[in-house]
Amino acid sequence: SAVISQKPSRDICQRGTSLTIQCQVDSQVTMMFWYRQQPGQSLTLIATANQGSEATYESGFVIDKFPISRPNLTFSTLTVSNMSPEDSSIYLCSAFGGVLNTEAFFGQGTRLTVV
Amino acid sequence: QKEVEQDPGPLSVPEGAIVSLNCTYSNSAFQYFMWYRQYSRKGPELLMYTYSSGNKEDGRFTAQVDKSSKYISLFIRDSQPSDSATYLCAMSPGSSASKIIFGSGTRLSIRP
Repeated sequence: SAVISQKPSRDICQRGTSLTIQCQVDSQVTMMFWYRQQPGQSLTLIATANQGSEATYESGFVIDKFPISRPNLTFSTLTVSNMSPEDSSIYLCSAFGGVLNTEAFFGQGTRLTVV
Repeated sequence: QKEVEQDPGPLSVPEGAIVSLNCTYSNSAFQYFMWYRQYSRKGPELLMYTYSSGNKEDGRFTAQVDKSSKYISLFIRDSQPSDSATYLCAMSPGSSASKIIFGSGTRLSIRP
């Protein structure tokens, strides 16, 4: 399995500010994924982060709002920019692992509240 | 229509009961099927992982996949209060480059 560390675990931020979330994997992985989980909802994929190239964003998510960095094969960051209360959510980092590299493992999540 | 449908519950059963959680899907390309358990204020934890059709057992948990019916199930035997959580089904076509599609999750409560 892949062990994924994410920080901060939670934060309360003022609207209009930005927050950068860090994700560290204990092994080298080709792709890392960022999800959002709104209260009582399932996981929505924000973007896929490949090392050495720009992230690929899903419909409804844009780079200006959610810039992503992927400087090496074990680390990624997601920034939530110019935050509004609608951005209050849990943000989760994920990577594949397992024998066939098809099992998705998750970090503990970052609980963001925008006031 | 969503690619993956899951009854959101909540589902409440007495301790010791057998729990059955289910998902249906529409994409016949899905080959890998997963069940995640998510406790409140925690990230999803991979519970069971199955490739193609068939059953897989791990302790009190059994995962079943019926690709002909596009239907997957998770059974929990001798349920415990510590099993109270949200259970999410997830599936993908298979390669590590594939997007995983999650169900909406079922909230399960085991009454002591």
